[in-house]
Amino acid sequence: NAGVTQTPKFRVLKTGQSMTLLCAQDMNHEYMYWYRQDPGMGLRLIHYSVGEGTTAKGEVPDGYNVSRLKKQNFLLGLESAAPSQTSVYFCASRTGDRGYNEQFFGPGTRLTVL
Amino acid sequence: EDQVTQSPEALRLQEGESSSLNCSYTVSGLRGLFWYRQDPGKGPEFLFTLYSAGEEKEKERLKATLTKKESFLHITAPKPEDSATYLCAAPLHPYCYTGTASKLTFGTGTRLQVTL
Repeated sequence: NAGVTQTPKFRVLKTGQSMTLLCAQDMNHEYMYWYRQDPGMGLRLIHYSVGEGTTAKGEVPDGYNVSRLKKQNFLLGLESAAPSQTSVYFCASRTGDRGYNEQFFGPGTRLTVL
Repeated sequence: EDQVTQSPEALRLQEGESSSLNCSYTVSGLRGLFWYRQDPGKGPEFLFTLYSAGEEKEKERLKATLTKKESFLHITAPKPEDSATYLCAAPLHPYCYTGTASKLTFGTGTRLQVTL
């Protein structure tokens, strides 16, 4: 099993450009999450999904959109990138089983917006 | 406001020098306290889940403990390969099986360096 994979690994954008980050998991997990990690700020939740076709806002959703058209994929979109979105983005997933909350993380995408 | 706070921010140990990392939380109705390890340039890797005060879990040189207000990650006789950032996290809301289930609030981490 590959676990949680993310593409691309690195990306440089100019202000105003758009892009989509792809997260894929092969563990048949119900829940998927997008986080950003900035120095001194810790991991902050952007959006999450509790199942195929559902999405919800997290702590810092502004400037991002997401879609979960297939259970195994969770896409994070930036419609008009801003320098404040320079960060490392992590995707995570977990089973929906009751009482079990371990999240499995991907390797991250390092995004720089100039 | 629900909060997770870790201390110290950074810790430097010599190989074999045991110590503890602290994670204090103010999450109401705690439903689990989670420890992760993160190596530079990689995603967090799950270590432990603790569900109730008094619970302890061990893995190699690491032991995690939980009280009603804080958790400790004890590192016994650390080796250089234990160098990493250690994160703790707790569910933002009491565990709920529908809707906003189990969003985690993360602390900012303790950066551990173990030298020879």
